[in-house]
Amino acid sequence: DAGVIQSPRHEVTEMGQEVTLRCKPISGHNSLFWYRQTMMRGLELLIYFNNNVPIDDSGMPEDRFSAKMPNASFSTLKIQPSEPRDSAVYFCASSLLTSGTYSYNEQFFGPGTRLTVL
Amino acid sequence: KQEVTQIPAALSVPEGENLVLNCSFTDSAIYNLQWFRQDPGKGLTSLLLIQSSQREQTSGRLNASLDKSSGRSTLYIAASQPGDSATYLCAVSGTYKYIFGTGTRLKVLA
Repeated sequence: DAGVIQSPRHEVTEMGQEVTLRCKPISGHNSLFWYRQTMMRGLELLIYFNNNVPIDDSGMPEDRFSAKMPNASFSTLKIQPSEPRDSAVYFCASSLLTSGTYSYNEQFFGPGTRLTVL
Repeated sequence: KQEVTQIPAALSVPEGENLVLNCSFTDSAIYNLQWFRQDPGKGLTSLLLIQSSQREQTSGRLNASLDKSSGRSTLYIAASQPGDSATYLCAVSGTYKYIFGTGTRLKVLA
């Protein structure tokens, strides 16, 4: 298995532009997470999906952020318009939620997208 | 609200030393706990997963223990090597999501 795939790996954009980050989870996993990592705030959970449905988006910083998961093998995180304070590394992770126990198995991370907003 | 703390924030040791990294959490109602390693500029690599019903897990030179009642986990690294230098993060799983600690930055000196 190729693991969790993210694209692009690096993104540099100007303030006000739209940014779209992409993620392909591990085949067979039914849960997907988007995280943001900065030096100041560490690793923050933005949103997570179970069976393609957003379960909790309380970590999404504001309305400029949106995430979709149209099918089990693809998710996007969009920032529109982008601001310099959005500069961070964005990680996607996937896992298998065991039904009944609501217990996750191992969570696997992608390599991340380093976003710089000028 | 679950809070996860890792102490120390940074640690520097000579090669060959055995060491212990600590992870504390405030809510003992967890499903599992996972230890990760993160190299500079890289993603997180899963090291060990301990289910809530387990007390410890081992992989090579790594051993992780879990004491839910006291809200603590430790990651033991035996015979440390310079290649072990990285940031180590623990994450606890409640219903549906993981909460991460802020990590311990480890440097093993040759």
